[in-house]
Amino acid sequence: GAGVSQSPRYKVAKRGQDVALRCDPISGHVSLFWYQQALGQGPEFLTYFQNEAQLDKSGLPSDRFFAERPEGSVSTLKIQRTQQEDSAVYLCASSLVRGTFSYNEQFFGPGTRLTVL
Amino acid sequence: AQTVTQSQPEMSVQEAETVTLSCTYDTSESDYYLFWYKQPPSRQMILVIRQEAYKQQNATENRFSVNFQKAAKSFSLKISDSQLGDAAMYFCAYRSGSFGNEKLTFGTGTRLTIIP
Repeated sequence: GAGVSQSPRYKVAKRGQDVALRCDPISGHVSLFWYQQALGQGPEFLTYFQNEAQLDKSGLPSDRFFAERPEGSVSTLKIQRTQQEDSAVYLCASSLVRGTFSYNEQFFGPGTRLTVL
Repeated sequence: AQTVTQSQPEMSVQEAETVTLSCTYDTSESDYYLFWYKQPPSRQMILVIRQEAYKQQNATENRFSVNFQKAAKSFSLKISDSQLGDAAMYFCAYRSGSFGNEKLTFGTGTRLTIIP
């Protein structure tokens, strides 16, 4: 498909389990973003890559959260020792980078709904 | 840090009527972008309209238009001729104009219901 895809769409984990969420950006998109959307809230920024470089991880809530994009394409968000407060929808977005002064639209995937029991 | 506030958790409008969704933001930057995103139940976030802060003219996209008041830090969305397919959560979002600082800061959203 031509859009951003995420897998799995739904994930149920027991408290303490590790999970891995995958994002496939639009082909050729340089930038990739992860957001966390709690129930009834707006998305909140987690981290951002440009190619394989993680340029900003200021939004990661704890050291249990780790993201990677080793080849500058697919990205994985890993959450270790999941807690109930990690329950949320995790959204991925990608964008082109057309230049210093250009606006780069972010295209979003459908998200992964994580439920921690 | 920038903040975005949407003070209307829910709004409803009669089909074919006009509705306005409110958004205010706080920033010390002079160069930035503002957006309205639509999120239907499928969760796919879709860009509705954007506004560059340096542009005085309000953005318009078909039935969607904004009222951008830079001094007041206000950015409202007007939907004309509302249609059933407009029902969704609407999020206002802010992005810095600084290169490399592309993260979006979202408001808490407004749930829009269209009454047939």
